[in-house]
Amino acid sequence: GAVVSQHPSRVICKSGTSVKIECRSLDFQATTMFWYRQFPKQSLMLMATSNEGSKATYEQGVEKDKFLINHASLTLSTLTVTSAHPEDSSFYICSAKRGDSYNEQFFGPGTRLTVL
Amino acid sequence: AQTVTQSQPEMSVQEAETVTLSCTYDTSESNYYLFWYKQPPSRQMILVIRQEAYKQQNATENRFSVNFQKAAKSFSLKISDSQLGDTAMYFCAFIESYGKLTFGQGTILTVHP
Repeated sequence: GAVVSQHPSRVICKSGTSVKIECRSLDFQATTMFWYRQFPKQSLMLMATSNEGSKATYEQGVEKDKFLINHASLTLSTLTVTSAHPEDSSFYICSAKRGDSYNEQFFGPGTRLTVL
Repeated sequence: AQTVTQSQPEMSVQEAETVTLSCTYDTSESNYYLFWYKQPPSRQMILVIRQEAYKQQNATENRFSVNFQKAAKSFSLKISDSQLGDTAMYFCAFIESYGKLTFGQGTILTVHP
């Protein structure tokens, strides 16, 4: 149990276009999901916390209008990178919190975004 | 603010030997959890081991064990009988009461045959 999927696993897009990444909890309900960004050989940096039915909470320095997050159901959160530019190229990882236990977080396999 | 520090950017070990990865953290919280995650080349984050701050006993999971020193705010990971499949980037992480994970910088571990 506790499987989190991400789609797509890889995406290549042209500069100026928007890209949507989906994060799904397959066998549990996730009231909270998290979005991270990771550059090669670096740590995960939290971008935002996504709560079902409410607005996402963004970390300092993360552009809300650039990275749109929607958590419309207990099993799905989406991250849309709007007007993507080459500097947005990165590895994006989501995680989902199960139940009320604050120590349970499960990670998706990640999405590699390349902006040309 | 909570911080997690991993002072070893890279480590290497021979197969079947033991290696210890270091981690220190800083927090004013009294109740928290500490984790070690493994990120192999596939980049899937895998939970290796978890430690609850209020438990004095060090957590163990097969070949993986931790040395948790709460007063010193230290949380090291020992890997015994290292295997080639242990080659990965390892992250120490800390979670506070509202579920926000803070990661260390990571340690790249290479196991040599």
